[in-house]
Amino acid sequence: DTGVSQDPRHKITKRGQNVTFRCDPISEHNRLYWYRQTLGQGPEFLTYFQNEAQLEKSRLLSDRFSAERPKGSFSTLEIQRTEQGDSAMYLCASSLFQGADDGYTFGSGTRLTVV
Amino acid sequence: DAKTTQPTSMDCAEGRAANLPCNHSTISGNEYVYWYRQIHSQGPQYIIHGLKNNETNEMASLIITEDRKSSTLILPHATLRDTAVYYCIVRLDISPDDKIIFGKGTRLHILP
Repeated sequence: DTGVSQDPRHKITKRGQNVTFRCDPISEHNRLYWYRQTLGQGPEFLTYFQNEAQLEKSRLLSDRFSAERPKGSFSTLEIQRTEQGDSAMYLCASSLFQGADDGYTFGSGTRLTVV
Repeated sequence: DAKTTQPTSMDCAEGRAANLPCNHSTISGNEYVYWYRQIHSQGPQYIIHGLKNNETNEMASLIITEDRKSSTLILPHATLRDTAVYYCIVRLDISPDDKIIFGKGTRLHILP
């Protein structure tokens, strides 16, 4: 297993365009998380899934954002009508939630620049 | 909101022990202390976690005070590769509401 993979690593898009990011978690992990990180700040929680069910969405996740995990494996995060304020690093993490876990495993992130 | 307070930045000489403090005065009895670090341009990396007792693994040691209101992460022999932002987090280990909330962390500079 190569860990959590995110694609693409970098994305530059024009304001108003839609973008979609993909996350492939560690295969046996049942939970998947999305975070957003801007310069100088810690990662901010956006949403998470247990298997295919989306269990929580942050207030930060406006209606332009949608996330899916259709078969409980990979996940996608789509941003519609991008704005310059959406420029950030989008991080995905996965974990095996069964109690005393050893923490989340994060991917290297997708850096989005909206011009 | 993050439930921890950490210094904004710290320096440590290469080869010396790096001691990173964290205050978590409102921690409850069933909340664990977790530490992650984030090296530039990478995602956060799990380091260690503990409840009451001190913990040690191949990366670091975690010392938790008896009242559990503060803790210290110790990197015993810091190297240049340990330069990173270190996040101290408290959370329930078994919870339907499980998610990590990050603060701003401590930016640790290892000096050659």
